[in-house]
Amino acid sequence: KAGVTQTPRYLIKTRGQQVTLSCSPISGHRSVSWYQQTPGQGLQFLFEYFSETQRNKGNFPGRFSGRQFSNSRSEMNVSTLELGDSALYLCASSLLNGADEQYFGPGTRLTVT
Amino acid sequence: GESVGLHLPTLSVQEGDNSIINCAYSNSASDYFIWYKQESGKGPQFIIDIRSNMDKRQGQRVTVLLNKTVKHLSLQIAATQPGDSAVYFCAEIGNAGGTSYGKLTFGQGTILTVHP
Repeated sequence: KAGVTQTPRYLIKTRGQQVTLSCSPISGHRSVSWYQQTPGQGLQFLFEYFSETQRNKGNFPGRFSGRQFSNSRSEMNVSTLELGDSALYLCASSLLNGADEQYFGPGTRLTVT
Repeated sequence: GESVGLHLPTLSVQEGDNSIINCAYSNSASDYFIWYKQESGKGPQFIIDIRSNMDKRQGQRVTVLLNKTVKHLSLQIAATQPGDSAVYFCAEIGNAGGTSYGKLTFGQGTILTVHP
């Protein structure tokens, strides 16, 4: 069974631009969570989707948004990029409700210049 | 507020030794805990988990211990190998539902270095 995939793997953007990241969960998994990882803040929860509904959201500004499609694939969008948004963005999928095993993808490395 | 923290940021061991990585958590409502291993350039890899109704769980070469009284979690790796060198994170999630859905709270991480 294929693992969690994320595209693109690397991205360089300029301040003020927007970016869309994609995540395909493990087949059959319905919950997708997104995390931001930085050296200073560690791994921080962004949001979680289940059956196309956002059920939980972390403490990030409204510039960070996401969605989930009927096939459980998820995207996250960051608008008006800031230098501080440079990070590794990870998505994780779980089978049911996000309170079971979460399996992570390789991440998308976003650099904002 | 909720937090999960690690006592030791770095741990160096010799190949073949046993390693113990510790983690403290503050949310007494946490009921599910996971240990992850993250190698450079990769996403966190699931190692082992434990629910709050257990105090010990064993996997292949790994054991997780949970002490709810002092809110402490540990990961024991037997016969540590150079391939075990990575950053190890503990993570916790509260009761399923509500503000806990899909939200893992991670510790800062411990860098494990295994010397041949």
